[in-house]
Amino acid sequence: DVKVTQSSRYLVKRTGEKVFLECVQDMDHENMFWYRQDPGLGLRLIYFSYDVKMKEKGDIPEGYSVSREKKERFSLILESASTNQTSMYLCASSLVGGNYEQYFGPGTRLTVT
Amino acid sequence: AQSVTQLDSQVPVFEEAPVELRCNYSSSVSVYLFWYVQYPNQGLQLLLKYLSGSTLVKGINGFEAEFNKSQTSFHLRKPSVHISDTAEYFCAVSSLRDYKLSFGAGTTVTVRA
Repeated sequence: DVKVTQSSRYLVKRTGEKVFLECVQDMDHENMFWYRQDPGLGLRLIYFSYDVKMKEKGDIPEGYSVSREKKERFSLILESASTNQTSMYLCASSLVGGNYEQYFGPGTRLTVT
Repeated sequence: AQSVTQLDSQVPVFEEAPVELRCNYSSSVSVYLFWYVQYPNQGLQLLLKYLSGSTLVKGINGFEAEFNKSQTSFHLRKPSVHISDTAEYFCAVSSLRDYKLSFGAGTTVTVRA
């Protein structure tokens, strides 16, 4: 079974702090994704990566950056956390040449105070 | 670009009753279609997917969905729900040009005894 893990289930940070959210997948997937989930808005794509050191902006990249130094690890960075970034963050991965199915981690609920 | 509309934000239903969750999509190109489920405090899990072939797709836990190209719909059904089906359900679409998914806003299903 594909396993996607995220470094924290719950995180509380202060406004202005730099925040790192880590995601690791164990199935050698090329594609990795970061979403934020808010009530009534579904999942919105922040950034995605098709390969190591490659990244592309999604629909809502403002205030976020990402890093992918190794194939299995995809990090989301909040350079200066703000209260409007309080949300559930979900990481996913998928296989190039597969059936486009994405496999999701359990999510990190981030609260910025 | 693709978009997804889930027509019901909340669906209350009694145990052992049938349920239908409605999903419409818009796209100028061919798409793959997915339904995901999110149980409380968990990540997303794939219920079923339509890639090609038969328009009636069967998934896990007794769910099925029907792809209707002329109506651009992909409605999810279950003939008899259980308390354990209480969850949030997301419809998603992927174009064949990239590996990104566009999600609907979600439908919360609450099953009551």
